[in-house]
Amino acid sequence: EVQLVESGGGLVQPGGSVRLSCAASGFSFSTTWMHWVRQAPGKGLVWVSRIESDGSNTIYADSVKGRFTISRDNTKNTLYLQMNSLRVEDTAVYYCVRDNYYSIDVWGQGTTVTVSS
Amino acid sequence: DVVMTQSPLSLPVTLGQPASISCRSSQSLVYSDGNTYLTWIQQRPGQSPRRLIYKVSIRDSGVPDRFSGSGSGTDFTLKISRVEAEDVGVYYCMQGRHWPLTFGGGTKVEIK
Repeated sequence: EVQLVESGGGLVQPGGSVRLSCAASGFSFSTTWMHWVRQAPGKGLVWVSRIESDGSNTIYADSVKGRFTISRDNTKNTLYLQMNSLRVEDTAVYYCVRDNYYSIDVWGQGTTVTVSS
Repeated sequence: DVVMTQSPLSLPVTLGQPASISCRSSQSLVYSDGNTYLTWIQQRPGQSPRRLIYKVSIRDSGVPDRFSGSGSGTDFTLKISRVEAEDVGVYYCMQGRHWPLTFGGGTKVEIK
């Protein structure tokens, strides 16, 4: 069974940092591009970042560029999102999502990040 | 960025009746390989999103055939032939043709 399990969310102060993890199983993680997508409370879906299969290329939404870093460890089948200089507007559920050739198909259950003082 | 515009925002439907959601993109979603990269996503209340349809009209495994997608270029439609109670939720269109990936604002389907 294909599965994505996120962890690492929690309450963080503005300006703080947190690292999200996503454990992947049931598919060839090392050959698959991966994404992070977020959803603010009561709002829609917003793409955050993408990483290619070997980690060589990454791209970011303008709203997080320079503050967030996506990475992966293919030996551990794990995707990461390092989030620095957090703002109140970064409060959201963060989903780990599998790329599927110009689409995204499998979603994790999400992990909630709350930025508040 | 490509803007995805969905309508309506809210769609009250009677059980067993059809429903239709429109999605329009600000740029063509046709790629040089001839494919059109438009995806439909369902999010039931309290659940993670789930992909229903990709490349305009191809249903994912396990998706009931009452769901169908159509359209071309910049105009797309998701239809539910007979709405069931389990179809309640928010539906999003998403384009994968241009970076960054962008989503429509969502259409909330509810039972009258």
